[in-house]
Amino acid sequence: QSVLTQPPSVSGAPGQRVTISCTGGSSNIGAGYAVHWYRQLPGTAPKLLIYGNINRPSGVPDRFSGSKSGTSASLAITGLQAEDEADYYCQSYDSSLSGSGYVFGTGTKVTVL
Amino acid sequence: EVQVLESGGGLVQPGGSLRLSCAASGFSFSNFAMTWVRQAPGKGPEWVSLIGGSSGYTQYGGSVKGRFTISRDNSKKMVYLQMNSLRAEDTAVYYCAKGKGSGRREDYGMDVWGQGTTVTVSS
Repeated sequence: QSVLTQPPSVSGAPGQRVTISCTGGSSNIGAGYAVHWYRQLPGTAPKLLIYGNINRPSGVPDRFSGSKSGTSASLAITGLQAEDEADYYCQSYDSSLSGSGYVFGTGTKVTVL
Repeated sequence: EVQVLESGGGLVQPGGSLRLSCAASGFSFSNFAMTWVRQAPGKGPEWVSLIGGSSGYTQYGGSVKGRFTISRDNSKKMVYLQMNSLRAEDTAVYYCAKGKGSGRREDYGMDVWGQGTTVTVSS
């Protein structure tokens, strides 16, 4: 059971804007740890979309943007395309009395209508 | 081309051992932390372990601590994951991934992933 919660699914028509939330707490996002976002197509490895809360790796289109506030972070996809249909995961670091380590969100399936 | 390539997966009985390998190329290997992430069938990714670039620092997820050991050979550009006392719940695709981040290690992401190697623990 992940400490980072995402909506199970979001959907949008081609060209629309969708957002995916990643809700954490005071031991992870709220503690100031960076949030990263990944896209995963079926049968393939996750691909880094956003790192350090807001930064895009080379080659990732500017349709993808990240933000962070308090104990939550968000990924926005504008100009939704058919190829964006995939699973999306946030990732951060969690440090609590029960242990510390890198954590992934529960995942969100994006459907392009 | 920057890439990592995993190998060593397979079928193992509960209680058995397996050693995964990850070959890196195309980047200054010793300058970067490396991680192992696994993904059970139908589940999301789960971080397993991290090893620092040149410091040798290691860290483990709670579900594998005491059973798995991560190591690296910078001269060969290799990362390893020794898995002992394997359980059915360790069944997953195991990915090797390069750490990305220039500050504290807690802020690392993972920017280069391999294609994964499948580990199945079953009798």
